[in-house]
Amino acid sequence: SQKIEQNSEALNIQEGKTATLTCNYTNYSPAYLQWYRQDPGRGPVFLLLIRENEKEKRKERLKVTFDTTLKQSLFHITASQPADSATYLCALRYGQNFVFGPGTRLSVLP
Amino acid sequence: GAGVSQSPSNKVTEKGKDVELRCDPISGHTALYWYRQSLGQGLEFLIYFQGNSAPDKSGLPSDRFSAERTGGSVSTLTIQRTQQEDSAVYLCASSLLLAGGPRTDTQYFGPGTRLTVL
Repeated sequence: SQKIEQNSEALNIQEGKTATLTCNYTNYSPAYLQWYRQDPGRGPVFLLLIRENEKEKRKERLKVTFDTTLKQSLFHITASQPADSATYLCALRYGQNFVFGPGTRLSVLP
Repeated sequence: GAGVSQSPSNKVTEKGKDVELRCDPISGHTALYWYRQSLGQGLEFLIYFQGNSAPDKSGLPSDRFSAERTGGSVSTLTIQRTQQEDSAVYLCASSLLLAGGPRTDTQYFGPGTRLTVL
């Protein structure tokens, strides 16, 4: 079965710094990997998708990398702001299903 | 346009009772997913509907759980004889899969139904 690990349950960083979140997966080679943001009491919101043939994808202050050899994706938020505080989930499609990581709760301190 | 909606937003029930949770996906979306999220946990896949195909029920934790999707739109998740371990937030998501298009499966989630079984 597929398993996804995210580097830490919680991450605290100072405003203005770059936050780096890690997603590692096993036993599978997905065609793409997704990142979602989840705020308390709300459903996840899609942020970025990166395909297996893409090394890097950017969207405003967000950057995602995908290393299929390491089976790892890194999610970066540059110039972080307190409004970036949320839980970030990575997800990949495994057969007909989606498998989500447990999430990393990011807190950006002013 | 309207996003995915779920009802009720909160449901408190007694152990042993049956509950029904409703999901209204985005109009025109062909795929619909149900997930369960326990406190502090990740999303647990439950069931997946795609068009008129037979649903993928492989994630349902027991035969007390069932779901249906009527007319390719609204879906209902039913939990029979609820147990305390069923307490969780139940999330629904929909996505649009275009025939012949690149596969992205971007999911649009509803706000969830918080189920509490006493």
